[in-house]
Amino acid sequence: ETGVTQTPRHLVMGMTNKKSLKCEQHLGHNAMYWYKQSAKKPLELMFVYNFKEQTENNSVPSRFSPECPNSSHLFLHLHTLQPEDSALYLCASSQDYGQGNYGYTFGSGTRLTVV
Amino acid sequence: QQPVQSPQAVILREGEDAVINCSSSKALYSVHWYRQKHGEAPVFLMILLKGGEQKGHDKISASFNEKKQQSSLYLTASQLSYSGTYFCGTEDPYSGAGSYQLTFGKGTKLSVIP
Repeated sequence: ETGVTQTPRHLVMGMTNKKSLKCEQHLGHNAMYWYKQSAKKPLELMFVYNFKEQTENNSVPSRFSPECPNSSHLFLHLHTLQPEDSALYLCASSQDYGQGNYGYTFGSGTRLTVV
Repeated sequence: QQPVQSPQAVILREGEDAVINCSSSKALYSVHWYRQKHGEAPVFLMILLKGGEQKGHDKISASFNEKKQQSSLYLTASQLSYSGTYFCGTEDPYSGAGSYQLTFGKGTKLSVIP
């Protein structure tokens, strides 16, 4: 366990389904992120939340909808996905530089397969 | 624009050394290094802030040349546990306060064999 917990670990969904990914951290970090990791491509930043306020939406299609109800929880709601959305979705958290704890703490990811 | 890592892959015998490079076309505020083992989460190794400082972590160290917009990760006397994919993540000077947005390279796959 890294301190950032993601559920589920694996998800298979049809293109017409609606599902949600969950991320939880109890590290006291103020920022949370969603990244997408596809085969042979670099990690792609999707969304950034700082103190539960969204500060970045990196041109992500509207079929991905994030939600951050508090600084410890982050969701990614999925609907009408495409097969090319199949990937590993990683959640990460971090603290502000001034707090002395640098770097992202990643969760283990949700392996998503769209059929 | 994503940073460029080299080499893409490297195979070492235990005890050998390796250098992984990360280059960016943009001015950088910081460079992060992570290691990801197969099926696991990426793990933070170290961060280098602009100022050219070199950092160390056990037998793994790194440098950051902000003028050249490059960072290098040095692995000395490699161990089997060093195997994995190493990613650099770069932060340009324009990230918002309180959070920092990293752009990652494609990774360098390191395999250490007995």
